[in-house]
Amino acid sequence: NAGVMQNPRHLVRRRGQEARLRCSPMKGHSHVYWYRQLPEEGLKFMVYLQKENIIDESGMPKERFSAEFPKEGPSILRIQQVVRGDSAAYFCASSPRGLAARPEAFFGQGTRLTVV
Amino acid sequence: AQTVTQSQPEMSVQEAETVTLSCTYDTSESDYYLFWYKQPPSRQMILVIRQEAYKQQNATENRFSVNFQKAAKSFSLKISDSQLGDAAMYFCVLTQGGSEKLVFGKGTKLTVNP
Repeated sequence: NAGVMQNPRHLVRRRGQEARLRCSPMKGHSHVYWYRQLPEEGLKFMVYLQKENIIDESGMPKERFSAEFPKEGPSILRIQQVVRGDSAAYFCASSPRGLAARPEAFFGQGTRLTVV
Repeated sequence: AQTVTQSQPEMSVQEAETVTLSCTYDTSESDYYLFWYKQPPSRQMILVIRQEAYKQQNATENRFSVNFQKAAKSFSLKISDSQLGDAAMYFCVLTQGGSEKLVFGKGTKLTVNP
């Protein structure tokens, strides 16, 4: 049973470009979470999705950031018109029934985004 | 609001020795869970140990154990017989019962010296 798969592992974008980060949850997991880790910081919650629905996006910046988890395919975190401050590691986690039902999250290896 | 504080940015230990990482937290809820996650240089976040707030008994996983002091809102991690592979960032994490969010501390970087 493969773990949470994130790609790419590393992504370099120039200021103003778009970044698309992908996350395939563990098999059978329909709950996906995105977290951001700035240098020397812990992870910060961004968004919680279930299949085809955004449940909680309270941690997402209001502009330029969006997330989706379509019926088929991976979850996508999209950052438009990237700026240097977006440089961070972005982690995806998945859960079989949601943390509220069972507090157990499985993390991917993250995508390190560097904006130059 | 929930907060997690790790007051030790860095710690070091000799191989085979014991080390304790500190964590304090704050929550107004009585139903919550605490975790320690390990993040080695590969960046993979690995669950080390979990503690349910309603359980008085301290959790133990092989060489890893916690000292859960509910009244003091303290949740320290003890690593016994430290191994080189234990070198990593360790994060103390809190979630409230019924919540879908994890709240992370800033982490403690553990170095294991041979």
